[in-house]
Amino acid sequence: AQSVTQLDSHVSVSEGTPVLLRCNYSSSYSPSLFWYVQHPNKGLQLLLKYTSAATLVKGINGFEAEFKKSETSFHLTKPSAHMSDAAEYFCVVSRGYIPTFGRGTSLIVHP
Amino acid sequence: GAGVSQSPRYKVTKRGQDVALRCDPISGHVSLYWYRQALGQGPEFLTYFNYEAQQDKSGLPNDRFSAERPEGSISTLTIQRTEQRDSAMYRCASSASSSSGGPNEQFFGPGTRLTVL
Repeated sequence: AQSVTQLDSHVSVSEGTPVLLRCNYSSSYSPSLFWYVQHPNKGLQLLLKYTSAATLVKGINGFEAEFKKSETSFHLTKPSAHMSDAAEYFCVVSRGYIPTFGRGTSLIVHP
Repeated sequence: GAGVSQSPRYKVTKRGQDVALRCDPISGHVSLYWYRQALGQGPEFLTYFNYEAQQDKSGLPNDRFSAERPEGSISTLTIQRTEQRDSAMYRCASSASSSSGGPNEQFFGPGTRLTVL
């Protein structure tokens, strides 16, 4: 069985400050992990993915995530938030080809 | 190029009616996934295909839900005898084959918003 927990339903930051979106997973297998972003009225878009190569994964738009097996975490970070980063973010764990999505974290960016 | 398209974008139906939701994946993509997304939740896996073969349908809630992809391209998700609890956003995604053998990036369509009255 696999599951994913996004620890915060909402995260609020000021423009130019760091972003941290937390994700913990549970998987009986070596997992594949993903972060997707969903802007209002748009489809989901891949930010980055981890598939057992480097533990620090760099994605698009300055985002990165670190796979920590001992903590079963895959937190998403960005050094400096931009207004355009305001969106819903989903952490995903895959067993084989079947993905399980977290409930999502809404990122709010204040000017 | 063209992304994943879904039709209709919005569907309002009465309880007990059948509905068919269509997904047109990116040309050449091997895998096609269907998800259901309730408000304030993440997408929930329903089923997926490789080419025309349905690989896994473990996420379909009950036997009123079915999906097909007869020619390995366009797919249809059908819900028979709709109920109010079926109201949700239904999303489709496609992906290319993965050289690593693991899951590849999925490209999502805009979704179909289904409302059952």
